[in-house]
Amino acid sequence: KAGVTQTPRYLIKTRGQQVTLSCSPISGHRSVSWYQQTPGQGLQFLFEYFSETQRNKGNFPGRFSGRQFSNSRSEMNVSTLELGDSALYLCASSSVLAGSSYNEQFFGPGTRLTVL
Amino acid sequence: AQSVTQLGSHVSVSEGALVLLRCNYSSSVPPYLFWYVQYPNQGLQLLLKYTSAATLVKGINGFEAEFKKSETSFHLTKPSAHMSDAAEYFCAVSANSGGYQKVTFGTGTKLQVIP
Repeated sequence: KAGVTQTPRYLIKTRGQQVTLSCSPISGHRSVSWYQQTPGQGLQFLFEYFSETQRNKGNFPGRFSGRQFSNSRSEMNVSTLELGDSALYLCASSSVLAGSSYNEQFFGPGTRLTVL
Repeated sequence: AQSVTQLGSHVSVSEGALVLLRCNYSSSVPPYLFWYVQYPNQGLQLLLKYTSAATLVKGINGFEAEFKKSETSFHLTKPSAHMSDAAEYFCAVSANSGGYQKVTFGTGTKLQVIP
């Protein structure tokens, strides 16, 4: 089975621009989560999508948004980029369906975003 | 509500010495617990998981962790550190919240191995 893929792997943008990152989960996985990782703040949860619905959200401004498509692929968008948005953005997918099953997350390699 | 606390953002050990990375969790329902490892510029990789079977869990690369309910801990250990163990380690808890499994990660511990 192919793992979680993220595109692009590296991205350079300038302040004020917007960016869209893509994540393709493992086949059959319906949950996709996004994380931001920076040296200063560590790993921070952005949001989680399940069956095209956002069901959990972290504490990030509205400039950060996401969506999930019917094939479970997900995108996240950051508008009006700021220098502080420079980070490694990680996507993780999981296959958990019921509330009683554990949620093991499978991570992609990440997208390294640099904002100049 | 659930949370994870990793004591020590940086840990240094000598090559061949015991590795001990601490993780304490808080959960109002029975949790599932995980340890992940991250090498530079890579995603997180699962090391091991506790899913309510055996309390002592063995993972990849010689790591193991013991679930101690009375101490709400899930510390990660390895008897003898190797240079290749230098990485960042994350503890995570998965627990039922509002009908689905919510995952919360700790802030991570960077392990340095000194030759």
